[in-house]
This record gives sequence, structure tokens and C-alpha cells, in this order.
Amino acid sequence: GAVVSQHPSWVICKSGTSVKIECRSLDFQATTMFWYRQFPKQSLMLMATSNEGSKATYEQGVEKDKFLINHASLTLSTLTVTSAHPEDSSFYICSARVNGGRVEQFFGPGTRLTVL
Amino acid sequence: KQEVTQIPAALSVPEGENLVLNCSFTDSAIYNLQWFRQDPGKGLTSLLLIQSSQREQTSGRLNASLDKSSGRSTLYIAASQPGDSATYLCAPSGGGNKLTFGTGTQLKVEL
Repeated sequence: GAVVSQHPSWVICKSGTSVKIECRSLDFQATTMFWYRQFPKQSLMLMATSNEGSKATYEQGVEKDKFLINHASLTLSTLTVTSAHPEDSSFYICSARVNGGRVEQFFGPGTRLTVL
Repeated sequence: KQEVTQIPAALSVPEGENLVLNCSFTDSAIYNLQWFRQDPGKGLTSLLLIQSSQREQTSGRLNASLDKSSGRSTLYIAASQPGDSATYLCAPSGGGNKLTFGTGTQLKVEL
């Protein structure tokens, strides 16, 4: 139980294009999901908290107009990197909390984004 | 702002050894603390969650302790195996269930 998937697992795109990453809770409902970014040899940094049916809450220093988050259902949150640039190349990981369960977060397998 | 430090940064041991991984955090006002493992290029696997009111949690060969007041947590791995090789991350949880991650301990268990 408590499985989180991400799609795609990796993506390569040209500078200036937009990329959408999906995060799904497969066997549970999640009102709250989180998006993290991890640069090589660094730890995970929280980008934003995604809440179903409402606007995401972004961490300080994260541009909300560049990283668009949509949490339209209890099992799906999407992160769109708009007008991607090489410095956006990173490993993006989402997590989800089980509705009504413990506060434990379950993580997806991550998406490797490379912007050329 | 919560800051998390993990010591050692890297560790290489022969198979069978008992290990101690340390985590310290600056803000003791936490709700819980999770330990994760991350394999290269992969996501995170949750190992243990300790509530702020608890002192320790055990799962198989893993035991995690928490001393909230002093801002410390320790992960014990008994009888290490090559399959335990990974990066281990600790993450205390603050307001809004936000996790703050340390930079991890990279563990290598050799045959």
C-alpha cells in the first residue's frame, strides 16, 4: 500500500519549452502532496505544498509562475516547469500523505529533467 | 529555519557490522522525524517514522531513536548487508508537515 508514481521518469527538453510532471497516489487518496527538487550531491529541497482544490503554497525563493502546480483530484498533482532553462535541470520528487492516516509521507520515484 | 546535519557524510564498512548514523537538527519544535533511504537516481523509501512523543521505533534490523529536546536522532543498523548500501536521509517535520532534509550519509557495505 501507499504507492506513489511519477511520470515521466526522465525527460529531455529544449530550453524555452514547458514540461509537465505527474504525481499519482495509486492506492490511496491524498489531499496534500509535496514537490521537492534535488540537485546533484545535494539534499531534497521542498518547493511547494499542493492541496487538492486550492492553490499551492510555495516556499520562499520558488517562482510560482515558473513552477505551476495543479492538484485537481485526490490522486493527482501536476508540476509544470514553464519556459525551462538549463539551470532547471534537476531531479524532481513528489510525496503524498494518506488522507486520514499518519503524517508519514510516501515518495514517488522521481523525474530526471534535463534542459538542453 | 530548521537545519539538519548528518554525520558521517560517508561510511564504508564490511558486511556484518553494526552501524550508527547520526542526525542533528536545530529546531526542536518538531512533530515527528522520518528516516529514508535513497538509492542512486531513485526516489525515497520510508524506513521509520518517530512521533515527537516517542523515544524510538524499530523495524527489523533498523532501530531509530529520538531525543527531541537535544535535537538528535540516531539510526542503528544491525548486521549490515551489501543490500543496505544507499544514502540514508533523516527529515524532521515541522509546521504544515514540511520535511527538512539533511544531506545524508552515504553507506557502502562491502562483502
